[in-house]
Amino acid sequence: RKEVEQDPGPFNVPEGATVAFNCTYSNSASQSFFWYRQDCRKEPKLLMSVYSSGNEDGRFTAQLNRASQYISLLIRDSKLSDSATYLCVVNPISGGYNKLIFGAGTRLAVHP
Amino acid sequence: EAGVTQFPSHSVIEKGQTVTLRCDPISGHDNLYWYRRVMGKEIKFLLHFVKESKQDESGMPNNRFLAERTGGTYSTLKVQPAELEDSGVYFCASSLRGGNYGYTFGSGTRLTVV
Repeated sequence: RKEVEQDPGPFNVPEGATVAFNCTYSNSASQSFFWYRQDCRKEPKLLMSVYSSGNEDGRFTAQLNRASQYISLLIRDSKLSDSATYLCVVNPISGGYNKLIFGAGTRLAVHP
Repeated sequence: EAGVTQFPSHSVIEKGQTVTLRCDPISGHDNLYWYRRVMGKEIKFLLHFVKESKQDESGMPNNRFLAERTGGTYSTLKVQPAELEDSGVYFCASSLRGGNYGYTFGSGTRLTVV
């Protein structure tokens, strides 16, 4: 079983749609969680950290469910520029203090 | 502020040759990381430096890979001898306070071993 699992997609949505991505992680001791965005042939860029209480940044909302070891990302009012791969990332802490574990990513394609 | 800089951006080498990748972290970032993405797989951790010391090298695939960070500034990752399965994108990242706050990644070195 992979340490971080994501639906690879692709998710094809029209502009203005709301889309949600899910991610599960296997290490229950994990303490830090992130969503990164990666454009084609580019480096990953931090989109947002995910906190236990949930957090929102503009059109993006991230949620964490520790009991289910589940992380989500909701994008409202999708823009063409949101097309990218979204990476769910976990810092396992117990396995190595500063190592990040990446999911394989979920591809989003927003069309006009 | 300059970002994380990696050099070269692309490298094509023959099996058995040696390649050295370089990473210049953001100035003042003590934490420097190497990650790799091979075709069709997720990005995987290789190793972590704190200043010039290797904090964690548990992700290094084998002894053909050697990472250094002399003086705690830039880092190099040498692959010697390169094998076909070493092909992929090698990312360097740096952070000020460690992984709990996310990293800044460089644009990567795309390595192709033929």
